[in-house]
Amino acid sequence: QQQVKQSPQSLIVQKGGISIINCAYENTAFDYFPWYQQFPGKGPALLIAIRPDVSEKKEGRFTISFNKSAKQFSLHIMDSQPGDSATYFCAASNTGGYNKLIFGAGTRLAVHP
Amino acid sequence: DGGITQSPKYLFRKEGQNVTLSCEQNLNHDAMYWYRQDPGQGLRLIYYSQIVNDFQKGDIAEGYSVSREKKESFPLTVTSAQKNPTAFYLCASSTDVGEQYFGPGTRLTVT
Repeated sequence: QQQVKQSPQSLIVQKGGISIINCAYENTAFDYFPWYQQFPGKGPALLIAIRPDVSEKKEGRFTISFNKSAKQFSLHIMDSQPGDSATYFCAASNTGGYNKLIFGAGTRLAVHP
Repeated sequence: DGGITQSPKYLFRKEGQNVTLSCEQNLNHDAMYWYRQDPGQGLRLIYYSQIVNDFQKGDIAEGYSVSREKKESFPLTVTSAQKNPTAFYLCASSTDVGEQYFGPGTRLTVT
């Protein structure tokens, strides 16, 4: 029940296209859902996050869509650029507990020019 | 300039030696975490600390030890009991509402 399942494992998108990464969770106590971006050899950087009181959050070209009833959330990257090529991790936590983030396995995104 | 620092960036050790990885933060966060990342893999939690002088084991604590004597510092010791210590180690700290921020990482190679 603590797992966060992320798909796809890898994704290739053409420049200007939309990248979509999906995550699913089981624990209904989760109330914080961040996405991280990681470049090779660097630490993950917090990209965008959502809490279950909203169904969508947008920051620039990045949008999180959240479906509480389906226990799914997704990251959409609009107008994908080669500089977006990185590994993306979704995560979830119960902020009323120990704030331990449960991470998905990651999606390696390649944006081709 | 607030943030999380990890040192060194690269660390090489001989098998059988203990090694300590440094993590310092000046974000005034109470909670700190250590993760391990293997090539092409996700993040696995080693230890976490919610407050000074208190810490809990994560999912893969065997062969590791930590201390939390100061709010700003959470060093990780990789002991000789850790069977596969070569990995990328990441330290993180989080706000009261769960926003977790990572340091730049230390790449440990044991031969």
